[in-house]
Amino acid sequence: DAGVIQSPRHEVTEMGQEVTLRCKPISGHNSLFWYRQTMMRGLELLIYFNNNVPIDDSGMPEDRFSAKMPNASFSTLKIQPSEPRDSAVYFCASSPSGSRADTQYFGPGTRLTVL
Amino acid sequence: DAKTTQPPSMDCAEGRAANLPCNHSTISGNEYVYWYRQIHSQGPQYIIHGLKNNETNEMASLIITEDRKSSTLILPHATLRDTAVYYCIVRPRSNDYKLSFGAGTTVTVRA
Repeated sequence: DAGVIQSPRHEVTEMGQEVTLRCKPISGHNSLFWYRQTMMRGLELLIYFNNNVPIDDSGMPEDRFSAKMPNASFSTLKIQPSEPRDSAVYFCASSPSGSRADTQYFGPGTRLTVL
Repeated sequence: DAKTTQPPSMDCAEGRAANLPCNHSTISGNEYVYWYRQIHSQGPQYIIHGLKNNETNEMASLIITEDRKSSTLILPHATLRDTAVYYCIVRPRSNDYKLSFGAGTTVTVRA
């Protein structure tokens, strides 16, 4: 099992640019989560999909952030335009049973730096 | 969610048991205690969870006090690969998908 795959692993961009983060969940998992981790705020849930449908996007910071899940094997998190305060590690996690905290499998993360 | 308090850091000798404390004095009856860890440059990893009984799995044991106001995660034979930040969180069992970690305890296992 390859686990959750995220790309790119590192991204450096300039303020104002569009950033797209990608995630491939574990095959057979029907739930997908995007998290953001910073030193100041710790780990925060941004959005939760179940069966490709967004269920909880209350953590999405503002309209600059958008997430899609066009099919069961792919999701994107887009930031447009990016700002320096968006610098963080972004994690994608998938789960075979979305509503339980003990079954989330995390990817290695994407470290985003916005200059 | 109930607030948890953990020591910021602790050291442990390789091969010895590591006992990680967590205080959660405001825990409510329907909240479970979860433990996760995060090894450097990796995503968080689920370890164990429990309600009121002690729990054990292949990774660790969880001891919850009778009044449920505190708990201890035990790594029975710590290895260098157990060096990580360990997070204790309390969450209700239903719709508990929203993980939120604070500072946790940085555990360093030394040879």
